[in-house]
Amino acid sequence: DAGVIQSPRHEVTEMGQEVTLRCKPISGHNSLFWYRQTMMRGLELLIYFNNNVPIDDSGMPEDRFSAKMPNASFSTLKIQPSEPRDSAVYFCASSPEGGRTGELFFGEGSRLTVL
Amino acid sequence: AQSVTQLGSHVSVSEGALVLLRCNYSSSVPPYLFWYVQYPNQGLQLLLKYTTGATLVKGINGFEAEFKKSETSFHLTKPSAHMSDAAEYFCAVSGDGGYQKVTFGIGTKLQVIP
Repeated sequence: DAGVIQSPRHEVTEMGQEVTLRCKPISGHNSLFWYRQTMMRGLELLIYFNNNVPIDDSGMPEDRFSAKMPNASFSTLKIQPSEPRDSAVYFCASSPEGGRTGELFFGEGSRLTVL
Repeated sequence: AQSVTQLGSHVSVSEGALVLLRCNYSSSVPPYLFWYVQYPNQGLQLLLKYTTGATLVKGINGFEAEFKKSETSFHLTKPSAHMSDAAEYFCAVSGDGGYQKVTFGIGTKLQVIP
């Protein structure tokens, strides 16, 4: 079975540009999470969707960040405009049962570098 | 709010030696506890988890962890380190956040010396 699929794996862009990261969760999983990983702050939860509905976006840094989940098999995380401090690895994870068991299935991540 | 503290951001052990990675948690409700492993340029994968019942939990690759409520700890151990165990290990807690929000520790990088 395919795991969580993220694209692009690597993205280098210049400050001020728009960045869109994409995620395809595991089929049948009804919960989707976006995390950001940096050396300084570790893994931070940005947003959580359940059945395509955003439940908790308290971790979204600011208005420059937005996330959507138009259907059960696709989600995007957009940064506009991007800034150098947004450089990080962004992970998408999915989970069955609303994440009740806490077991998350992670994609391989999208490494973003903003120059 | 729930939280996790991992003691030691870097741990080095010799091949064949005991691996001990420390994790303490804070939660206002009975926690679910997890250890995840991350290999270079990969996502995290579940190593083991504690939900209820037996406090000694066995996971993949010979790892195990023991839930000690009195100490609020969930340390990860492996009797004999292998070179392939070199990775970053994350302790995580859930249960106190409505939808079982998972909170991760900062991670511990394990180096195995031949």
